[in-house]
Amino acid sequence: NAGVTQTPKFQVLKTGQSMTLQCAQDMNHEYMSWYRQDPGMGLRLIHYSVGAGITDQGEVPNGYNVSRSTTEDFPLRLLSAAPSQTSVYFCASSYTQFSGANVLTFGAGSRLTVL
Amino acid sequence: GQNIDQPTEMTATEGAIVQINCTYQTSGFNGLFWYQQHAGEAPTFLSYNVLDGLEEKGRFSSFLSRSKGYSYLLLKELQMKDSASYLCAVRGNTDKLIFGTGTRLQVFP
Repeated sequence: NAGVTQTPKFQVLKTGQSMTLQCAQDMNHEYMSWYRQDPGMGLRLIHYSVGAGITDQGEVPNGYNVSRSTTEDFPLRLLSAAPSQTSVYFCASSYTQFSGANVLTFGAGSRLTVL
Repeated sequence: GQNIDQPTEMTATEGAIVQINCTYQTSGFNGLFWYQQHAGEAPTFLSYNVLDGLEEKGRFSSFLSRSKGYSYLLLKELQMKDSASYLCAVRGNTDKLIFGTGTRLQVFP
């Protein structure tokens, strides 16, 4: 059981380049989400999905796109990278988000630097 | 809007007890979570409170008062490995789980 797998672990981009952070989970979780973590800012929600075909915006969605074509995968796309997107990105999933103590399981994180 | 406040840093001595506070203001309330995050690693789940009162789990306990918008995480018999950041997170009326900025705890021998 791999849990939540994120790739790549590290990436350096130049301003204006595009890239996709991959996230896959093998726990049959309905809910998936992307957070970014910056010093002094804590974890901030970018986008989330409550099931295949359904996505919604979090606190800081600008500059990022997501899609959820399967239950297992939830990629995060940066269409034109900016230095302000330098951060550590975490993908997290749970069975559902609304009922009970549905605990988020986090991936190991992806450290992105935009020059 | 939503607001979650925690102290930025705390220090304590090995073997001691430390209490990390969290106050929140959210649109609705559907549970409060505490996560632990060691430097360079992913957050891991510690505790969940949805009703008022104390939840105990080994050396860790978490308390909730919904009327006061207040929670604390109590760590007993501190060990060096407890040096980490502790994140308070609240689920309001939506599907979103919103995190505070975290409290960095340093345990000294």
